[in-house]
Amino acid sequence: QVQLVQSGAEVKKPGASMKVSCKASGYTFTSYDINWVRQATGQGLEWMGWMNPNSGNTGYAQKFQGRVTMTRNTSISTAYMELSSLRSEDTAVYYCAKARYCTGGTCSSSMDVWGKGTTVTVSS
Amino acid sequence: QSVLTQPPSVSAAPGQKVTISCSGSSSNIGNNYVSWYQQLPGTAPKLLIYDNNKRPSGIPDRFSGSKSGTSATLGITGLQTGDEADYYCGTWDSSLSARVFGTGTKVTVL
Repeated sequence: QVQLVQSGAEVKKPGASMKVSCKASGYTFTSYDINWVRQATGQGLEWMGWMNPNSGNTGYAQKFQGRVTMTRNTSISTAYMELSSLRSEDTAVYYCAKARYCTGGTCSSSMDVWGKGTTVTVSS
Repeated sequence: QSVLTQPPSVSAAPGQKVTISCSGSSSNIGNNYVSWYQQLPGTAPKLLIYDNNKRPSGIPDRFSGSKSGTSATLGITGLQTGDEADYYCGTWDSSLSARVFGTGTKVTVL
């Protein structure tokens, strides 16, 4: 079955960096964009950016530009999201999610498969 | 500060119907497809509706979506206790060049 398996929970100090992985299975990894979405406790969903696993092209939300980097390793069907200069406000659950469909080189904004989430706690 | 506005909460008795609105602008809902997600407590979001009104396989037809102008609506009929969750709308915003989500709506089954 199609699934995304994320890495485990992390605890980080302010100023450090985090890197979450998202391993895809059950479909052709390079055929669909991977999005990253985060959710602080009790808050709504916040989109961070997308990555095309085939080309490596990325697009980041303005809020995270300069601090976030999305990469992939196609040989192991795994996407990565790295966030630097962490602060307490970055404490959240981080999700990866696959685009529902792609046509003509563009993927839908809808996301049909989500990872279970990775909890990241930033605390001194 | 989301660009898509939803009511904080809606409620109804079992078997009844609820509708959740999602208000945006011409740069997002007005010119792009809308999707809807259900998030049960402690779980990842689940896609309910994509491309305004299409349901992925396995989603019951109790869930429906529609769009008119710069607003979209999610309808849930035959409300069940298992429908108690947070619901989010989402779309692409052409001005921001970003995917955006609504503020979220908590559905309570009375």
